Amino acid sequence: AQSVAQPEDQVNVAEGNPLTVKCTYSVSGNPYLFWYVQYPNRGLQFLLKYITGDNLVKGSYGFEAEFNKSQTSFHLKKPSALVSDSALYFCAVRDSITSGTYKYIFGTGTRLKVLA
Amino acid sequence: EPEVTQTPSHQVTQMGQEVILRCVPISNHLYFYWYRQILGQKVEFLVSFYNNEISEKSEIFDDQFSVERPDGSNFTLKIRSTKLEDSAMYFCASSGAENERTEAFFGQGTRLTVV
Repeated sequence: AQSVAQPEDQVNVAEGNPLTVKCTYSVSGNPYLFWYVQYPNRGLQFLLKYITGDNLVKGSYGFEAEFNKSQTSFHLKKPSALVSDSALYFCAVRDSITSGTYKYIFGTGTRLKVLA
Repeated sequence: EPEVTQTPSHQVTQMGQEVILRCVPISNHLYFYWYRQILGQKVEFLVSFYNNEISEKSEIFDDQFSVERPDGSNFTLKIRSTKLEDSAMYFCASSGAENERTEAFFGQGTRLTVV
C-alpha cells in the first residue's frame, strides 16, 4: 500500500535562509512523487514532480526537491526563503499504473512559516 | 492555463439534506478524483473515476456518496443525506491527458458546511 509521511507539522525559517520540508514515502513499485502548496482558503497548487530521471527536480517559485531512493525520501528545498512562501505544503505519492491504483496519496502537510 | 473549476465555492446545508458538488475537469484529462480536507488538515482521498466508472474508492466513500459524469464535461459528487461530519472542503481533481505520469490539477474547492 502507498503511504507518505511528513514528520514535521510546522517548519519555521528566517527569510533569506534555506528551507527544507521533509517527506518520506512507501510504494510497491516505482514512485511518482509530487509536492503541492496550499495558501489560506485556496486549492492545492502543483509545485513539482519526480517521475524518472535526475534525482534533483526543479519546480515553481524557486523550489526544488531531491529524490533519494535508498532513503525513500523526497524533501522539498529552497535556497533562500521568502515570507510569501509561508503556506501549507503537501507531499503526495502515486504508485505506478502496474499496481492497479490511480489515486494520489497525500501526507498530513507541513506548515511553513517564514519569518521576516 | 487550463484549470479545474468547482461550484459552488461555499454550500451550507441542513443535516439530512442532499447536496451535489459540481466540477468541470480539464477537458482532455482522463482521470477524475474527489478529495476532502477537514479544517485545513489532511487531504483525504474519496474516489477516483476513469472510463466512466469508479476505479477506486476509500472507506469514507460509503453508500451516501455517489459520483457521476453525466455529459462528458461535468463531474459531480452527491451526498444523499448529509451528516455534521461531512463538513469539509471538497476538492475535485483531474489528471492524465497523455499518460498516467502527469500531476493532478485541483480545483479551488467547495466548502461544505452541514448545520
